[in-house]
Amino acid sequence: QQPVQSPQAVILREGEDAVINCSSSKALYSVHWYRQKHGEAPVFLMILLKGGEQKGHEKISASFNEKKQQSSLYLTASQLSYSGTYFCGTQVQYSNYQLIWGAGTKLIIKP
Amino acid sequence: DGGITQSPKYLFRKEGQNVTLSCEQNLNHDAMYWYRQDPGQGLRLIYYSQIVNDFQKGDIAEGYSVSREKKESFPLTVTSAQKNPTAFYLCASSIALTSGGTSSTQYFGPGTRLTVL
Repeated sequence: QQPVQSPQAVILREGEDAVINCSSSKALYSVHWYRQKHGEAPVFLMILLKGGEQKGHEKISASFNEKKQQSSLYLTASQLSYSGTYFCGTQVQYSNYQLIWGAGTKLIIKP
Repeated sequence: DGGITQSPKYLFRKEGQNVTLSCEQNLNHDAMYWYRQDPGQGLRLIYYSQIVNDFQKGDIAEGYSVSREKKESFPLTVTSAQKNPTAFYLCASSIALTSGGTSSTQYFGPGTRLTVL
């Protein structure tokens, strides 16, 4: 079952913070986060494994709440280069571990 | 450098024609995937392959066909049976498909934009 991403879209001023959520109705083994810029391929950002660990990539970090089956992506002091669509891909526990993709969250950063 | 290549970058097809999109990887990955992406939409799985000479239908396989004769290559044919093929096609690969965690992390090629004239 497809994970639900929220919000669908967000517009920020440069320097502002954003949070993107990815929720599943199934118990998850991991969550993968990707960013896709317009006209380009998705680029892998990070993976969160069950256990609730938080990971970081520059000023982008993420957490995984195992109890809620939800991952959140945090973009701090956003830069123009953060613009794009963010996708989460989830692996359901005790399944074939194939990635199931969310519908994406479009992030627009204005100067 | 290791990576995934797709060709051509842009492709134009007349109605009724079959076209083949190329995907090659030199990452030594076992699993490969084809996705279709329509403007402003998410990723929809067309076909995937876990191993050479084996592939499985994804969510929208109708009108498409694939082959996996070599580990490095996973070409996609868009047949005339596909009624609305204009879209952005993405190929991806991962170390494995049925392993949890980082082995299932998918890496994408640059994509092929197909337009039907």
